Amino acid sequence: DSGVTQTPKHLITATGQRVTLRCSPRSGDLSVYWYQQSLDQGLQFLIQYYNGEERAKGNILERFSAQQFPDLHSELNLSSLELGDSALYFCASSALPGPPYEQYFGPGTRLTVT
Amino acid sequence: AQSVTQLGSHVSVSEGALVLLRCNYSSSVPPYLFWYVQYPNQGLQLLLKYTSAATLVKGINGFEAEFKKSETSFHLTKPSAHMSDAAEYFCAVSDRSPTSGYALNFGKGTSLLVTP
Repeated sequence: DSGVTQTPKHLITATGQRVTLRCSPRSGDLSVYWYQQSLDQGLQFLIQYYNGEERAKGNILERFSAQQFPDLHSELNLSSLELGDSALYFCASSALPGPPYEQYFGPGTRLTVT
Repeated sequence: AQSVTQLGSHVSVSEGALVLLRCNYSSSVPPYLFWYVQYPNQGLQLLLKYTSAATLVKGINGFEAEFKKSETSFHLTKPSAHMSDAAEYFCAVSDRSPTSGYALNFGKGTSLLVTP
């Protein structure tokens, strides 16, 4: 158990819909990362937050957005969903950005778009 | 952006045999390098990391990796495979620039099969 929690574990929804994925980092960790894992694209970095502020962006679509709240939990919002958005979405947290601080991964949310 | 290439999407070894999983990075400046393991239906777990200290890095579960600048490689090894090592292994790289957020760029992964 990494200490990072993600809800829900599974999510099935239809094309065009909007969903919210939630992540609670390890106690005391200030930095949250979101990653997407799909068969086509592999593991891709989406976006990073540090202490409530966006710090870095990766291959995140404009239909996707995220935020980190004052209690440090983070939410990833996916809208106008397409079949290709079906993937495993991971959240990771670290005490501070960068080595030697390890990124701890949550168990993921599996999103299926039908 | 930094990237890594993992050679071999599937590797099969016998129990007790040497495990060798290959990873090459593309950068003229040595980046931070990592190996992660993913067991079925689970998240990723860090095996080991290279942050420019010792070039031979020891990790958990008996794994180690050697950073070779001349070969731009960071191969993962384990002297004797166990059945429990069967999993997906990912090599990852992180840029040294703070503007990158130190996000991880992952390779495509190598699925390790251990046979009795």
